[in-house]
Amino acid sequence: RKEVEQDPGPFNVPEGATVAFNCTYSNSASQSFFWYRQDCRKEPKLLMSVYSSGNEDGRFTAQLNRASQYISLLIRDSKLSDSATYLCVVNPGYSTLTFGKGTMLLVSP
Amino acid sequence: EAEVAQSPRYKITEKSQAVAFWCDPISGHATLYWYRQILGQGPELLVQFQDESVVDDSQLPKDRFSAERLKGVDSTLKIQPAELGDSAMYLCASSPKPNTEAFFGQGTRLTVV
Repeated sequence: RKEVEQDPGPFNVPEGATVAFNCTYSNSASQSFFWYRQDCRKEPKLLMSVYSSGNEDGRFTAQLNRASQYISLLIRDSKLSDSATYLCVVNPGYSTLTFGKGTMLLVSP
Repeated sequence: EAEVAQSPRYKITEKSQAVAFWCDPISGHATLYWYRQILGQGPELLVQFQDESVVDDSQLPKDRFSAERLKGVDSTLKIQPAELGDSAMYLCASSPKPNTEAFFGQGTRLTVV
């Protein structure tokens, strides 16, 4: 099992839709979790950290499920500008950050 | 806003040549990462520094790749000799300490011909 797994998509949704991505991780000792956004041919940019209690930032909500070893990202009221690849990042219990391969989101008018 | 600086932005080199990339992390960030990203894939860690010490270089192809961070500030990644399969985006990132949010530079896009 890979350390961090994501559905590559693409997820095609209309503007205004709600969309959710999941990411599973293999190491139960993982400590830190993040979602990054990456536009085509650009660098990854931090979207949000994921806390045990869950956290929300505007239209974005991230949740952690330690029992099932996955994190999720929910985007409400999708905008055209949300089209990007969303990368799940996990600290697998030792001192580094491991990236998933990303989930592509395409929001259409 | 503080940024991670990388240079060059683009590099084209012939196979078997040497190439080097430079990274200047956000001031005060002790942890520095070099990642390689192939189009359509997620970034893969090549090497991680804590100050001037290597924390993880298990995925660094040491027969051709080397990395240093001599004074614990800026860092250089070198490839010698370059191979066609090395064509990728090379991303540098830094964070205040391990296991915290990392911030990326704009990357160096390498093409080996």
